[in-house]
Amino acid sequence: GAGVSQTPSNKVTEKGKYVELRCDPISGHTALYWYRQSLGQGPEFLIYFQGTGAADDSGLPNDRFFAVRPEGSVSTLKIQRTERGDSAVYLCASSLEAGPTYEQYFGPGTRLTVT
Amino acid sequence: AQSVTQLGSHVSVSEGALVLLRCNYSSSVPPYLFWYVQYPNQGLQLLLKYTTGATLVKGINGFEAEFKKSETSFHLTKPSAHMSDAAEYFCAVSSNAGGTSYGKLTFGQGTILTVHP
Repeated sequence: GAGVSQTPSNKVTEKGKYVELRCDPISGHTALYWYRQSLGQGPEFLIYFQGTGAADDSGLPNDRFFAVRPEGSVSTLKIQRTERGDSAVYLCASSLEAGPTYEQYFGPGTRLTVT
Repeated sequence: AQSVTQLGSHVSVSEGALVLLRCNYSSSVPPYLFWYVQYPNQGLQLLLKYTTGATLVKGINGFEAEFKKSETSFHLTKPSAHMSDAAEYFCAVSSNAGGTSYGKLTFGQGTILTVHP
């Protein structure tokens, strides 16, 4: 079946602009996670959804970052007033249920470049 | 708080040689431990995981890892490297600390494995 998909695969934007990154999880997966991977680093947790609600957004770096999952499926990560330091690969993962015993399936990521 | 340290950002081996990628973790509660592999332009793929029970865990593609609580380690090994094993490998930790069973992963910085013919 289809895996986790993310669009766009690459996004180049100018400093100060607004961007939206989309994640389509595996059908039927109730948990969805966003991570950010900077160059030469491992992924860092941003936010996780259980269903439609953000269960833990403790990893969002500041209030310029926001994410939604209105119908409990597709999620959008929104970044306002982008800064060059936001440049990274943004990864989305989904799992059947929340919890460490459930495998997280990762998408290929969206590479964001802020010029 | 949890953390993961991967010793060696780059490891190079010859084809057929032993692969050993090191991972040490810090966790105040019993950890769940994972190894992921990332091929170029692909998503992270789970190699293996330790939750409870047997401390030697076998995964895909001939990899295995052993959970050693006394050493707070979860090193990844493969007896004989193949060219196709060249990729970046990430160790990660999670837990059910505080009853919040959300599965948030904390990753190490990654180790790039190069396999020479």
